[in-house]
Amino acid sequence: EAGVAQSPRYKIIEKRQSVAFWCNPISGHATLYWYQQILGQGPKLLIQFQNNGVVDDSQLPKDRFSAERLKGVDSTLKIQPAKLEDSAVYLCASSLVNEQFFGPGTRLTVL
Amino acid sequence: TQLLEQSPQFLSIQEGENLTVYCNSSSVFSSLQWYRQEPGEGPVLLVTVVTGGEVKKLKRLTFQFGDARKDSSLHITAAQPGDTGLYLCAGASGGSRLTFGEGTQLTVNP
Repeated sequence: EAGVAQSPRYKIIEKRQSVAFWCNPISGHATLYWYQQILGQGPKLLIQFQNNGVVDDSQLPKDRFSAERLKGVDSTLKIQPAKLEDSAVYLCASSLVNEQFFGPGTRLTVL
Repeated sequence: TQLLEQSPQFLSIQEGENLTVYCNSSSVFSSLQWYRQEPGEGPVLLVTVVTGGEVKKLKRLTFQFGDARKDSSLHITAAQPGDTGLYLCAGASGGSRLTFGEGTQLTVNP
């Protein structure tokens, strides 16, 4: 069974630029999560989707971050404009019931 | 806001030694999960504990959930270099939402 796919794996941008990350969850998983993991910290939930609807986006900085899952499968997370403090690994996870399966993440460096 | 505190933050030991990692909170969780994360990869689930006082064993790893479901521990017996990684605890509440601890970076030296 294929795991959660994410791209790109690495991205380097300058502050104030825009960036987008893509996630393809495990087939059939209705729930999709985006996490931010800053170096030396645990993952922090940014947004949770159930199919194509948002379940929890309480920790998403909505002034610069946006996410969508239009067809209830793939998802994109966008940052516009990026700040230095956005440098982190962005993890996507999906679940069928309770167990979450994580992708390898996208490492973002903002210069 | 629910917080999970892990200790120690860093641990470097020799192969064959035993170790314990702690995960503490002032909040009650419906379940608690332990993950291991290796560089360049996402966290991988090791175990889920649900019942207060529950003990689960996974080969050389022993996981315990506190009676009040606020804390947990991970004990590794005879650590091996392959055990090296970032160990994360995560508490579940309100469905599938997880709150992660800061992690314990374990290094096992040959």
